[in-house]
Amino acid sequence: TQLLEQSPQFLSIQEGENLTVYCNSSSVFSSLQWYRQEPGEGPVLLVTVVTGGEVKKLKRLTFQFGDARKDSSLHITAAQPGDTGLYLCAGAYQNFVFGPGTRLSVLP
Amino acid sequence: GAGVSQTPSNKVTEKGKYVELRCDPISGHTALYWYRQSLGQGPEFLIYFQGTGAADDSGLPNDRFFAVRPEGSVSTLKIQRTERGDSAVYLCASSVGHSGEQYFGPGTRLTVT
Repeated sequence: TQLLEQSPQFLSIQEGENLTVYCNSSSVFSSLQWYRQEPGEGPVLLVTVVTGGEVKKLKRLTFQFGDARKDSSLHITAAQPGDTGLYLCAGAYQNFVFGPGTRLSVLP
Repeated sequence: GAGVSQTPSNKVTEKGKYVELRCDPISGHTALYWYRQSLGQGPEFLIYFQGTGAADDSGLPNDRFFAVRPEGSVSTLKIQRTERGDSAVYLCASSVGHSGEQYFGPGTRLTVT
């Protein structure tokens, strides 16, 4: 069974703060994706990481794939209320396995 | 439309009834996925189509669940003898190929009373 864990489960911060959320597994994935989901909508892909140790930046978001391709992190710099949402990681195996998500709330 | 659409957006049904949920993928996307998302959880894989055939149906929880994609575009998820535990948001996604970026629809919220 491919199991992904995410931490923290919930995170509430003030606008302007930095934060990091984590995605961990005991399994190796060929690639890992990060999504953001807002209420009443489907997840929207933010990034795909493929190579162990890979770092990708998307404006204020920095994604890192662990060297062993078992874990990943998402760092947000100077969070804004528009960053509020459910952040999901998904590992690619035979199909896609999603973690439970981190629910982020950025207060103005 | 440019995105993945799902109908209905909400469905309330009584325990024991049959329901069908429809997904219209992005035109030209050969891969189509169904997921189920319960409150406070991430999406749970149900089934994946490549073209008209189910390439992987290992996520279907039991034989009450069935999905078709007869012409390689629109897909229907069918649930027989619904149970209260089937209540969830059912998400559909499509992609150019199996390893391509998945584009999700808004989901169908199913409530079984």
